[in-house]
Amino acid sequence: EAAVTQSPRNKVAVTGGKVTLSCNQTNNHNNMYWYRQDTGHGLRLIHYSYGAGSTEKGDIPDGYKASRPSQENFSLILELATPSQTSVYFCASGDRAHQDTQYFGPGTRLLVL
Amino acid sequence: SQWGEENLQALSIQEGEDVTMNCSYKTYTTVVQWYRQKSGKGPALIILIRSNEREKRSGRLRATLDTSSQSSSLSITGTLATDTAVYFCATDEGSALGRLHFGAGTQLIVIP
Repeated sequence: EAAVTQSPRNKVAVTGGKVTLSCNQTNNHNNMYWYRQDTGHGLRLIHYSYGAGSTEKGDIPDGYKASRPSQENFSLILELATPSQTSVYFCASGDRAHQDTQYFGPGTRLLVL
Repeated sequence: SQWGEENLQALSIQEGEDVTMNCSYKTYTTVVQWYRQKSGKGPALIILIRSNEREKRSGRLRATLDTSSQSSSLSITGTLATDTAVYFCATDEGSALGRLHFGAGTQLIVIP
């Protein structure tokens, strides 16, 4: 009954290739977020969304695009993957009704060779 | 203590001991949320304290908030090996936009 799911869970990509990470939530939350987490560091916000059709830049958006086609789905797109984008990526959902608490997915481990 | 671009802090203690982790934040916040992240999992909220509260308890957890010094603490009493995780504080920086700013985290290792 996991409320936030991510796919794939693991991905190996080549430099210059296109990568799409997908996230689905069944919480019916308005807001969704994409973070990356690197070893020894906290969570850094890449993109977020307030609802279907909206995307906003977070703190480190360069090299990433996002798409929110529906309330449930939020994708992160790396058009031209680079080794520096090797990381663990987390998707989360949340809204004001839940005091902006964020509910996280299990993460996607991306390796760019 | 943790914040911003600081590297992950690490604590190693024996099971049964009490532990306190600290968090300092830079700007006004309406709430401090503490998350726990176990190995290979996403973070999950464990306790939340609002700006008009000084202390909040939940089971073995106790959070405090001092808005004048812009700091919060998380204490765990009688730690268990299963408390081993990374603990993050997060603030909203007063934003109505639903964004949270996460600290660098504290790696807690509880030795059985």
